[in-house]
This record gives sequence, structure tokens and C-alpha cells, in this order.
Amino acid sequence: KAGVTQTPRYLIKTRGQQVTLSCSPISGHRSVSWYQQTPGQGLQFLFEYFSETQRNKGNFPGRFSGRQFSNSRSEMNVSTLELGDSALYLCASSEVDEQFFGPGTRLTVL
Amino acid sequence: DQQVKQNSPSLSVQEGRISILNCDYTNSMFDYFLWYKKYPAEGPTFLISISSIKDKNEDGRFTVFLNKSAKHLSLHIVPSQPGDSAVYFCAASRKEYGNKLVFGAGTILRVKS
Repeated sequence: KAGVTQTPRYLIKTRGQQVTLSCSPISGHRSVSWYQQTPGQGLQFLFEYFSETQRNKGNFPGRFSGRQFSNSRSEMNVSTLELGDSALYLCASSEVDEQFFGPGTRLTVL
Repeated sequence: DQQVKQNSPSLSVQEGRISILNCDYTNSMFDYFLWYKKYPAEGPTFLISISSIKDKNEDGRFTVFLNKSAKHLSLHIVPSQPGDSAVYFCAASRKEYGNKLVFGAGTILRVKS
């Protein structure tokens, strides 16, 4: 089976802009979770979607949102970008217990 | 509030010897624990997991031990290989809350040949 794919791999935006990141889970996986990795805060949970419904949410402001489509593909959106949003954004998919991560999208906000 | 802690930022081990990576947690409601390996510019790779109903799980060179009373788990890699050099993350979850993982800060493992 193909692994988790994320697009784009790299992105540069300026403050105030918005961005949409995409994640395609492993075939058959219905759960998709998003994480943010920064040098200062480490890996932090953003939200989880299961069968098109948000099942869990982390402690991030409302500028961070997501959705899941009927084919389990997921997108996350960050509006009004801030410098501190520069990070590696990771998507993980799961069938039962273990989560399998994609390569991430490196977002740089200038 | 760091609920999952990996107190050793780095560990250096000779090839062929045992690597022991440690992790402590504070939330007694966690019931599922995982270890991931991560190379720079890549996503974490799942290594091994353990449910709170067990105290040991083994998969090839990797063994995870769970001590619930001490809220401590460890990952043993035997024998260590140079290709094991990476950042290792411990993660915990509470299954009734779905797949929300709480990660430790990571430990850099260097295996010297």
C-alpha cells in the first residue's frame, strides 16, 4: 500500500495570508490527524478527523481548521498567518491504533 | 504542562550494544503508548506500541517495557546499529479520546560504529 502523502512539501507565505495543506491517507484508513512540529514546542496535536467528522481538537486558535472528504483525504487551513506558524505540519492516518505519518509540509511564514 | 517527558536529550551507544531510551508520563489515564523514530525532514516512523494491559511488547530488535506504577516506559534496541541513529519520540494516548497523541520532546540516539 502507498504511504501517507502530503502536498505541497514546502511552502513560503507572508504574514496575513492563508494556506491550505493537503493529506491523502493510506488506503482504507478513515482517521486522519494533524500535528505541528516546531523547535520550541515539539510535536503538538492539532485535530483528528474520522469519517468526515472532527473527533478531537488540540489547543490551537480558531485560525487553524480542517476538514475531511468522503474519500478520507483531509485538508487543513490556516488563516491570517503569523510568523509563529512557521513549522513542519504532519499528517497521520490510522486504521485502528497505530498512526502512520506522512513526510510533512514545511511552512515558512515571512 | 508536559504530560510526556523524555529527560535525556541525547544518547550515544556503541554499535552492537543495547540502547535504552526512557520516557515518563504524568497522566494516569493514558492507556496506549507508542515509540516513533524520526530522521530530519521526514515524518515520524512507527516502531512499536504497547497497551496499558501489558508490561512488555517485543518486535525484532525492539522491546518496549511499561511500568504503570512508576508511569515509566522504556525502549530497548538490541543490538544497536548505525542506521538506528535518529530522534526517538515517545507518545501516549487515551483510547477513548481517539487518536490524539501527546509526544515527548524526543531523544537523539547516536550509534557509533
